[in-house]
Amino acid sequence: GENVEQHPSTLSVQEGDSAVIKCTYSDSASNYFPWYKQELGKGPQLIIDIRSNVGEKKDQRIAVTLNKTAKHFSLHITETQPEDSAVYFCAARTTGGGADGLTFGKGTHLIIQP
Amino acid sequence: KAGVTQTPRYLIKTRGQQVTLSCSPISGHRSVSWYQQTPGQGLQFLFEYFSETQRNKGNFPGRFSGRQFSNSRSEMNVSTLELGDSALYLCASSLEGRATYEQYFGPGTRLTVT
Repeated sequence: GENVEQHPSTLSVQEGDSAVIKCTYSDSASNYFPWYKQELGKGPQLIIDIRSNVGEKKDQRIAVTLNKTAKHFSLHITETQPEDSAVYFCAARTTGGGADGLTFGKGTHLIIQP
Repeated sequence: KAGVTQTPRYLIKTRGQQVTLSCSPISGHRSVSWYQQTPGQGLQFLFEYFSETQRNKGNFPGRFSGRQFSNSRSEMNVSTLELGDSALYLCASSLEGRATYEQYFGPGTRLTVT
């Protein structure tokens, strides 16, 4: 089955700086890659996603890049703000005959230092 | 639109008991997936339902089961509870039962087994 690895497990950046979180996946058939933000006591919130036919996608301060050849994808957050502090999860999913669930990375605890 | 709702939010059960958790998807969404989140194993896929049929199942024992009703609401049941079943159980809904559709999570049910 699919395996997703996520790095780093903890990332501390100064407010206003950029943050980058990286993930690799094992199944070359995976074709959908969402990113979720989870705040304490809440469920994961979808913040951006990318499909395998696209190399990059942006939404205001957030961008995701995908390298299918290397099987890795990254989340970029620019001009970080205190409210960006949370745990971020990457995930991968494969279009299969049985509509498999998402396979998640272990998460990155992003800390924005004031 | 109202988001995904899960009831109850918190639950304390004793080993050997069984428990039923409920999930109401976003209006119009027909697919419901369930995930277990623990500090050690992270987010793991349990199963997905679409049009009252289980589409796929993750690597969990048969004590974990679910169902979906004609209004797309879903329940999951865990029988003969073990201490290791203590976790946050998350439900996610999506428009269709296909791998490339966005999944939106509810706040989760925190289950504690004593």
